[in-house]
Amino acid sequence: NAGVTQTPKFQVLKTGQSMTLQCAQDMNHNSMYWYRQDPGMGLRLIYYSASEGTTDKGEVPNGYNVSRLNKREFSLRLESAAPSQTSVYFCASSELGAVYRYFGPGTRLTVL
Amino acid sequence: TQLLEQSPQFLSIQEGENLTVYCNSSSVFSSLQWYRQEPGEGPVLLVTVVTGGEVKKLKRLTFQFGDARKDSSLHITAAQPGDTGLYLCAATNTNAGKSTFGDGTTLTVKP
Repeated sequence: NAGVTQTPKFQVLKTGQSMTLQCAQDMNHNSMYWYRQDPGMGLRLIYYSASEGTTDKGEVPNGYNVSRLNKREFSLRLESAAPSQTSVYFCASSELGAVYRYFGPGTRLTVL
Repeated sequence: TQLLEQSPQFLSIQEGENLTVYCNSSSVFSSLQWYRQEPGEGPVLLVTVVTGGEVKKLKRLTFQFGDARKDSSLHITAAQPGDTGLYLCAATNTNAGKSTFGDGTTLTVKP
């Protein structure tokens, strides 16, 4: 099993460009999450999907949109990237109601 | 917002030393998790504690959940270079979708 996979691994954008970060899990988990990690600020929840067909805002949702494409895939879209969105983005998954998360390897995004 | 404070923020020690890192909050939690994150990788779950006063051991790592379920500690005995990484605590209350993460303790173990 690959666990949680994310693409791309690295990305550089110019201010105003758009892009979609892809995430897939093969553990048959119901719940999926998107976090961002900034130096000295730990992990902050952007959006999550408790189950297929539902999405909810997390702590820092502004500037992002998500799509739960199916049970396996959960994508994060930046419509108009800003330098403040420079960060490392992690996708995670869990069983429904579980308190722990399985994380992907991350996408390192730089917005110039 | 429930804040989790981790201390120390940075810790550099020699191989063989013991250490303790802390995760504190003013809020009561139903469970608390510890993760380790290596450079360039995502966090990996080490343990979940759910009962006040609970102690769990994972080889040289000992995790304790405070009696009041507001704090936790991670003790490493005879640290090794392979223990190097960022240690994150995360806590959850009723809405498991919104676990709160601490800012982490960066541990460096020198050979």
